[in-house]
Amino acid sequence: AQSVTQLGSHVSVSEGALVLLRCNYSSSVPPYLFWYVQYPNQGLQLLLKYTSAATLVKGINGFEAEFKKSETSFHLTKPSAHMSDAAEYFCAVTGGTGTYKYIFGTGTRLKVLA
Amino acid sequence: ETGVTQSPTHLIKTRGQQVTLRCSSQSGHNTVSWYQQALGQGPQFIFQYYREEENGRGNFPPRFSGLQFPNYSSELNVNALELDDSALYLCASSLREEQYFGPGTRLTVT
Repeated sequence: AQSVTQLGSHVSVSEGALVLLRCNYSSSVPPYLFWYVQYPNQGLQLLLKYTSAATLVKGINGFEAEFKKSETSFHLTKPSAHMSDAAEYFCAVTGGTGTYKYIFGTGTRLKVLA
Repeated sequence: ETGVTQSPTHLIKTRGQQVTLRCSSQSGHNTVSWYQQALGQGPQFIFQYYREEENGRGNFPPRFSGLQFPNYSSELNVNALELDDSALYLCASSLREEQYFGPGTRLTVT
């Protein structure tokens, strides 16, 4: 069984400040982990993914995440927030073979303050 | 853009009616997954199709059904619509573990 917990349904940061969005996972098999961003009335856009290669993963728009097996975490960070980063962010886990169904967290809405 | 398209963009139906949503997968992808995203929630897995066969199903009742065609496009059918079926329905195509999402269909049931 797999699950994802995103701590903090709403996060506010000032423009230029560090962004940290938290994701903890549970998986009985080696996980693949993903971060997606969703802008209002749009689908999901992949930011980055972990698929058992390097534990520090760099994605688009300056985002990165680190896979920490001991902490079962995959937190998303960005050194300096931009106004355009305001959106909903989802962490997802899948794993094993066969059906790669994604289990999503409940999302974190990021607000960037001017 | 991912190359995954969905139609229609928006849809309004009445409780008890039936609806069909469509998805065209990205070129070369043989797997399509469907998700339901209720307002303020994360997407929930409905089912997945691989080479025209159902390849896994989430916790949704049988009135949610699907099809995948030889060109790997897919349909999601929902019978006997309920108010709680109002949601954004997302389709994703894939070859392996990375899924590419379409823009979604917003279904409103009144």
